Amino acid sequence: GAVVSQHPSWVICKSGTSVKIECRSLDFQATTMFWYRQFPKQSLMLMATSNEGSKATYEQGVEKDKFLINHASLTLSTLTVTSAHPEDSSFYICSARGRGVGGTEAFFGQGTRLTVV
Amino acid sequence: DQQVKQNSPSLSVQEGRISILNCDYTNSMFDYFLWYKKYPAEGPTFLISISSIKDKNEDGRFTVFLNKSAKHLSLHIVPSQPGDSAVYFCAASAGSNYQLIWGAGTKLIIKP
Repeated sequence: GAVVSQHPSWVICKSGTSVKIECRSLDFQATTMFWYRQFPKQSLMLMATSNEGSKATYEQGVEKDKFLINHASLTLSTLTVTSAHPEDSSFYICSARGRGVGGTEAFFGQGTRLTVV
Repeated sequence: DQQVKQNSPSLSVQEGRISILNCDYTNSMFDYFLWYKKYPAEGPTFLISISSIKDKNEDGRFTVFLNKSAKHLSLHIVPSQPGDSAVYFCAASAGSNYQLIWGAGTKLIIKP
């Protein structure tokens, strides 16, 4: 299947700083990218959906100003957690769908473990 | 409102036996269903999918069954292997809306 690379795989940051997570589709053009968050022992929670070149659509309850999503190209989307706090510590996962690839299947990145201290 | 439900948080199965993971849905507009496997601290991995025009799809040890009238699907893994121990998510989508609606996941434990 298609490959989605997410970086970094883990990051520790101080409270109040910002962290950027990258999601890249390596061998296909990702027209739509999704960002998820997973809390321990819970399902994946969709945070936002982004289409290349347009603003992200955020799910209810997700703060747009805190979780900045940029999908500037067909191969790259970024999630920036601004002014991070310990409660933002979580596992963040991106997924991508592309033109002519996989149909309805979404391809996932490896995930990023964020720890805010 | 949970549109996709996996009512069993965990399931323990003996190695070599059949594992059956269940998923129920409420939205009759769903027409494509997928199963993902997830290890701790990793992203989900696609396993198998089924379109609503079918009632069964098989891929090696994995078979997904869809019962549209009951709005129920199940994933069968046979024979179960230790490496199958993971959390399994059921997901569904409707038409051209590519958003996946996820179940809560079922943790499968394969006992030696």
